[in-house]
Amino acid sequence: AQTVTQSQPEMSVQEAETVTLSCTYDTSESDYYLFWYKQPPSRQMILVIRQEAYKQQNATENRFSVNFQKAAKSFSLKISDSQLGDAAMYFCAYRRANYGGSQGNLIFGKGTKLSVKP
Amino acid sequence: NAGVTQTPKFRILKIGQSMTLQCTQDMNHNYMYWYRQDPGMGLKLIYYSVGAGITDKGEVPNGYNVSRSTTEDFPLRLELAAPSQTSVYFCASSYSRGNQPQHFGDGTRLSIL
Repeated sequence: AQTVTQSQPEMSVQEAETVTLSCTYDTSESDYYLFWYKQPPSRQMILVIRQEAYKQQNATENRFSVNFQKAAKSFSLKISDSQLGDAAMYFCAYRRANYGGSQGNLIFGKGTKLSVKP
Repeated sequence: NAGVTQTPKFRILKIGQSMTLQCTQDMNHNYMYWYRQDPGMGLKLIYYSVGAGITDKGEVPNGYNVSRSTTEDFPLRLELAAPSQTSVYFCASSYSRGNQPQHFGDGTRLSIL
């Protein structure tokens, strides 16, 4: 079974600085997708960034980028120029690529709570 | 475009009561999911559906039931509420392609007292 591990329960960053959130996963499959979701206090689950395992190039979305190391099964999120609005829980998630009629659900880590200091 | 709509947003139940959490999506997604989020944890899959009339169990299905009579609606029913079901419940939907993100509702905070 696939598992996702986020080893940092809490992180803190100064406004305008850069922070990296760690995520490792375990799978025997070669094709899959990885996601980072943001959950602010409002409780919404907001997609931040996604990565296809078959792509070597790391995904980037404005101030958010990932460091995807497939061999190491590592998928870290880097937030540059941190803003107060980035404060939230961040969840790393895994999804199989080929699931046909089966689950296709996301498998989540336990999350990292990010605080941004002004 | 409303996306995924969940009702209610908050509810308090007494032990043994029953209720239905409603979920509706307007994106014509074939896949729909129910997750629960316990404090300090990620989301865990309760039930899922790959299309109207087709549902199946996820990781933590005990104490819940679902139905999917239409593409849009995927209600979650608690028959005999127990304190262990106190949680935040999220409904999500997606297309069947794995790289397509799941769209989440805003969640229902349910307390069983």
